[in-house]
Amino acid sequence: EPEVTQTPSHQVTQMGQEVILRCVPISNHLYFYWYRQILGQKVEFLVSFYNNEISEKSEIFDDQFSVERPDGSNFTLKIRSTKLEDSAMYFCASSEGIFEVNTEAFFGQGTRLTVV
Amino acid sequence: AQKVTQAQTEISVVEKEDVTLDCVYETRDTTYYLFWYKQPPSGELVFLIRRNSFDEQNEISGRYSWNFQKSTSSFNFTITASQVVDSAVYFCALREGSGNTGKLIFGQGTTLQVKP
Repeated sequence: EPEVTQTPSHQVTQMGQEVILRCVPISNHLYFYWYRQILGQKVEFLVSFYNNEISEKSEIFDDQFSVERPDGSNFTLKIRSTKLEDSAMYFCASSEGIFEVNTEAFFGQGTRLTVV
Repeated sequence: AQKVTQAQTEISVVEKEDVTLDCVYETRDTTYYLFWYKQPPSGELVFLIRRNSFDEQNEISGRYSWNFQKSTSSFNFTITASQVVDSAVYFCALREGSGNTGKLIFGQGTTLQVKP
């Protein structure tokens, strides 16, 4: 069964360093997302991406964040200068569509980012 | 404003008991989509069900059933004859139809513990 894959599963980085979280969405999906879950809290939307551009971003997604689809398969989230409060589980997701049918988003297993 | 409320923070049951997880949503849209996701201890988010606002038919899948009530803005999830493997955090989520991005708004989650 097709699935969203994320690498690495766990990333430890020093405050101020740049990190890139990688994702391979399901191949026939057109909509891509990043979400964040701080430990023990709810899942929060960061950004959605369609047709090679950001379609919506949340207040959390400030200038230190960026996303890119560098080729036909990968979808990356870059955090330019990490802060302690960026420590969280980051989920990549993809969906085939967003209207009526096939709107469900399938999530990767997550990347746990720890900023020290 | 869009909002999802899962008032039950934690539920503990004994195996074979039935359990209902509550979800109440708020939206001004007439078209919207509701979802349930399961987050087992391993951390991934597993899609369980999608329900479109224009389809009020309830659904049963094995031991799982969902009750969608537009009149009370609720989308409750029942597990019949619970099993230890059902222990997880369960999230209800909403996507508004007016958005063109697929963004999901999650509830706070309900932690279900099923004891043997």
